[in-house]
Amino acid sequence: NAGVTQTPKFQVLKTGQSMTLQCAQDMNHNSMYWYRQDPGMGLRLIYYSASEGTTDKGEVPNGYNVSRLNKREFSLRLESAAPSQTSVYFCASRRFFGAAGELFFGEGSRLTVL
Amino acid sequence: GNSVTQMEGPVTLSEEAFLTINCTYTATGYPSLFWYVQYPGEGLQLLLKATKADDKGSNKGFEATYRKETTSFHLEKGSVQVSDSAVYFCALSDHGSNYQLIWGAGTKLIIKP
Repeated sequence: NAGVTQTPKFQVLKTGQSMTLQCAQDMNHNSMYWYRQDPGMGLRLIYYSASEGTTDKGEVPNGYNVSRLNKREFSLRLESAAPSQTSVYFCASRRFFGAAGELFFGEGSRLTVL
Repeated sequence: GNSVTQMEGPVTLSEEAFLTINCTYTATGYPSLFWYVQYPGEGLQLLLKATKADDKGSNKGFEATYRKETTSFHLEKGSVQVSDSAVYFCALSDHGSNYQLIWGAGTKLIIKP
């Protein structure tokens, strides 16, 4: 049972470099999400995709872009990394875009920007 | 706007102690309420949920009751184990937040043997 798979698990970047975080889910879920987790701040939503073919900004979208490649895959791109983007990133998926659905999370990607 | 406030941690207890982690919320509508748990080095996973007032969610010995009159969803467990050590997040979701989960800051729980 793979669930939600994120790659890479760890990455170190220099300021100004770019990279893409990959996420794939095998549960046939419609909605997918990217969060960042910082100490003492809980989870903050970066971008989400309510369904295949749509993407929307969350709470902290600046400095990021996303692509919903197909129903399974949702990638997060940092075009020019900054130290403020040092964080743990989580991808999540939910079967439907609604109030009561359970979110399923990947194991996280720890990014350090020097 | 919608918000979730939960007690700051870390909370340190001895094994078999009674646990309460407080969570209160502000919402414009009738939200669904959740507790998620994050074990060290892992992603979050749903612990329990309640979708309407007076509902009680329960799982793995944990319980939480949706109290509309006090806008609360406190997490309780009668006898904690070392394996319950984790970070616990309270969250809500409703149409006022466009069905996005609004998260509390998380409470770290440490259980000592």
